[in-house]
Amino acid sequence: QKEVEQDPGPLSVPEGAIVSLNCTYSNSAFQYFMWYRQYSRKGPELLMYTYSSGNKEDGRFTAQVDKSSKYISLFIRDSQPSDSATYLCAILASGGSNYKLTFGKGTLLTVNP
Amino acid sequence: SAVISQKPSRDICQRGTSLTIQCQVDSQVTMMFWYRQQPGQSLTLIATANQGSEATYESGFVIDKFPISRPNLTFSTLTVSNMSPEDSSIYLCSVGRATNYGYTFGSGTRLTVV
Repeated sequence: QKEVEQDPGPLSVPEGAIVSLNCTYSNSAFQYFMWYRQYSRKGPELLMYTYSSGNKEDGRFTAQVDKSSKYISLFIRDSQPSDSATYLCAILASGGSNYKLTFGKGTLLTVNP
Repeated sequence: SAVISQKPSRDICQRGTSLTIQCQVDSQVTMMFWYRQQPGQSLTLIATANQGSEATYESGFVIDKFPISRPNLTFSTLTVSNMSPEDSSIYLCSVGRATNYGYTFGSGTRLTVV
């Protein structure tokens, strides 16, 4: 079992839709949870990161973490064509010298006008 | 967040040659990492670049193939040595601080080996 599983999609939605992106993880030592957005031919850009279970909101984006289920989600409200990109979940175990991120494969999202 | 300049942005290289990729950060950072991103695959960590000491390599990556330098807290290089077509990939530099785990990425180097 891979440490982080993410459905690669592709996912296609109409403009204005609510988008739900999800990852599961297997290692309970993971404590920090991030979502990155990557446009074509660009490097990943950090969207949000959170430490605890629960929701964290930033504008149209909401990150949700359920540590009991080892499940994380990113919701995009009122999706826009400019949101079309690959979304990567990334998870970090803390402690000692371990500061390495483990990434999902990414979900390719297309928002159609 | 830190601003990263990664060079070159792309290159086409002959097999058997080497390419050195540079990563320059606009501020001092604690941690610098090198990743590889292959189509349809997760970002894979190659190594952690340690300032003033040898890099720490992940399983499957060796220093002879991917030598890394980090002479100071704002600069690092990754060399892809004795390249083969299997090395064709995107290589990414990433930086972070111990107080903030929101790591920043460079724009990547798209390498094609022919």
